[in-house]
Amino acid sequence: SQKIEQNSEALNIQEGKTATLTCNYTNYSPAYLQWYRQDPGRGPVFLLLIRENEKEKRKERLKVTFDTTLKQSLFHITASQPADSATYLCALDTGGFKTIFGAGTRLFVKA
Amino acid sequence: DGGITQSPKYLFRKEGQNVTLSCEQNLNHDAMYWYRQDPGQGLRLIYYSQIVNDFQKGDIAEGYSVSREKKESFPLTVTSAQKNPTAFYLCASSMGLAGLTQETQYFGPGTRLLVL
Repeated sequence: SQKIEQNSEALNIQEGKTATLTCNYTNYSPAYLQWYRQDPGRGPVFLLLIRENEKEKRKERLKVTFDTTLKQSLFHITASQPADSATYLCALDTGGFKTIFGAGTRLFVKA
Repeated sequence: DGGITQSPKYLFRKEGQNVTLSCEQNLNHDAMYWYRQDPGQGLRLIYYSQIVNDFQKGDIAEGYSVSREKKESFPLTVTSAQKNPTAFYLCASSMGLAGLTQETQYFGPGTRLLVL
């Protein structure tokens, strides 16, 4: 069956460290992959998009990698800050009519 | 100030009652979507609309209905047939249909529906 998995356990890190979140998928061939940030009680906000022919994408302190062989995307936040604390959602698009969202990983950055 | 709005923020439904959630966007987007979010699960697609006067069922359309009479508006009705309606409902929009055009989606702030 088709699955998209993100670590359900919360990630706790110290301010200033790099946070790395994982998104794994099975039985999909995504044309591109997106990462969104969601704060409690609010809608997701788009962060980054990476296409299947791209290995890495960066935006300020954010970096996304996409390995179609491993069927995995990694999302990195460097020099993390308490304001980065949120839930991060991975989303796949296979070129069909809809986007498939993961359940998200909760990140806590401690000062 | 462009964006997508949802109302109300909280909605209470009595048994047997239909309730309607509002979604409005002024981004001039053609495509609009309704998702349901439950704890520990990814967003699940209820309905989507590519253009005015056209909409399609998503993965969990049973017990829900929508209309798209105006480009800016995509209201969702939760009918009494939906037996487990308690969830966080998110409306989104994109310029073109997500998945076909590599468009990102813009989400509203959400409506939390609770059953009395």
